[in-house]
Amino acid sequence: GAVVSQHPSWVICKSGTSVKIECRSLDFQATTMFWYRQFPKQSLMLMATSNEGSKATYEQGVEKDKFLINHASLTLSTLTVTSAHPEDSSFYICSARDPQYLQPQHFGDGTRLSIL
Amino acid sequence: EDKVVQSPLSLVVHEGDTVTLNCSYEVTNFRSLLWYKQEKKAPTFLFMLTSSGIEKKSGRLSSILDKKELFSILNITATQTGDSAVYLCAANAGNNRKLIWGLGTSLAVNP
Repeated sequence: GAVVSQHPSWVICKSGTSVKIECRSLDFQATTMFWYRQFPKQSLMLMATSNEGSKATYEQGVEKDKFLINHASLTLSTLTVTSAHPEDSSFYICSARDPQYLQPQHFGDGTRLSIL
Repeated sequence: EDKVVQSPLSLVVHEGDTVTLNCSYEVTNFRSLLWYKQEKKAPTFLFMLTSSGIEKKSGRLSSILDKKELFSILNITATQTGDSAVYLCAANAGNNRKLIWGLGTSLAVNP
């Protein structure tokens, strides 16, 4: 089945640091990847849709300059949390979908971000 | 506004019990309904349903979709402690392939 790899799985850093999270599709080419944020005991909140070779589509209320998304190849999307602050601490998850007909989204293992 | 509603929000059962989790949806340009299981990490895919009335089965788990009444159920028979997780339902809607997520059902299976 489709495999999505996300790295790193855990990040702890100081306030003001920028943090980059990578999402790779390992056995298929993903023209579209999705970035989610999840708070404890809550459901997934879509932050943005990452499109290969073009700008990401951000959901309402998500700051584009704060959460930079780059989808430079068909197998890699990155999310950079710029100048992170404690309120950015969360569980960030990416997903990707094999563009072949009727394929589900598959998720990376997620990145737990803690900003001190 | 597109929405997906899951019930119950939480459930506690004993090993061996059978459980039914519910998911209703109202989305424009509905394409498919998906079920995921989430334990400590990110969600893992269980089922994708596109057609009404056709049951999908994987071991002790099964799921079915009713496109007329706009709901789906996920059944787990002979539950085990390893089934304890949050079960998420999502509807795939529109051309942008976004998933509309429910809040999940938290299932606890006690020995």
